[in-house]
Amino acid sequence: AQSVAQPEDQVNVAEGNPLTVKCTYSVSGNPYLFWYVQYPNRGLQFLLKYITGDNLVKGSYGFEAEFNKSQTSFHLKKPSALVSDSALYFCAVRRINTDKLIFGTGTRLQVFP
Amino acid sequence: DVKVTQSSRYLVKRTGEKVFLECVQDMDHENMFWYRQDPGLGLRLIYFSYDVKMKEKGDIPEGYSVSREKKERFSLILESASTNQTSMYLCASSFPTSGSTDTQYFGPGTRLTVL
Repeated sequence: AQSVAQPEDQVNVAEGNPLTVKCTYSVSGNPYLFWYVQYPNRGLQFLLKYITGDNLVKGSYGFEAEFNKSQTSFHLKKPSALVSDSALYFCAVRRINTDKLIFGTGTRLQVFP
Repeated sequence: DVKVTQSSRYLVKRTGEKVFLECVQDMDHENMFWYRQDPGLGLRLIYFSYDVKMKEKGDIPEGYSVSREKKERFSLILESASTNQTSMYLCASSFPTSGSTDTQYFGPGTRLTVL
């Protein structure tokens, strides 16, 4: 069965430090992977996606994600966190042969000044 | 920019009422989706539509129905609202994956409270 897991409910990081939000997936075949962000009282905004090609994907707001096939992971990273990055982050994988996504449970990122 | 709008940001209804949630997108997307978002559960797909009048059940369709009479509009219907349907409801749209992109674009959400 296809699934995606976000093992951390919350990640705390000091402003200026690097941040990582973890995501692992389980899918047969080649995965299509996504990261979305949700700011308070807003809908989800697309950050980046991996379809094929370079394992390091760059996205909006200085975020990037590294696709690791052997570890079945797609961790979200940023070299220097901002307080304004504080939000809820969702990883998602596309279901094989459909247009539908499976979302993780979300990770709340808190960046402290 | 893609715009997905939802008819209400906040809605309060009583148990047993029929509830309509409306979603409109302006990008001529074939696909439209309804999700509910609950803490600790992430987003769960309620229904999916891949064309006008076409629909597929998602993972949690019980207690919900949908209508898509026009390409730009996708409605979620709670036939008889219950307290366990209190949630944040998110609409999204996308092109089919055979197109140039399959990114889903989301509306701002409707927070529904059923008393």
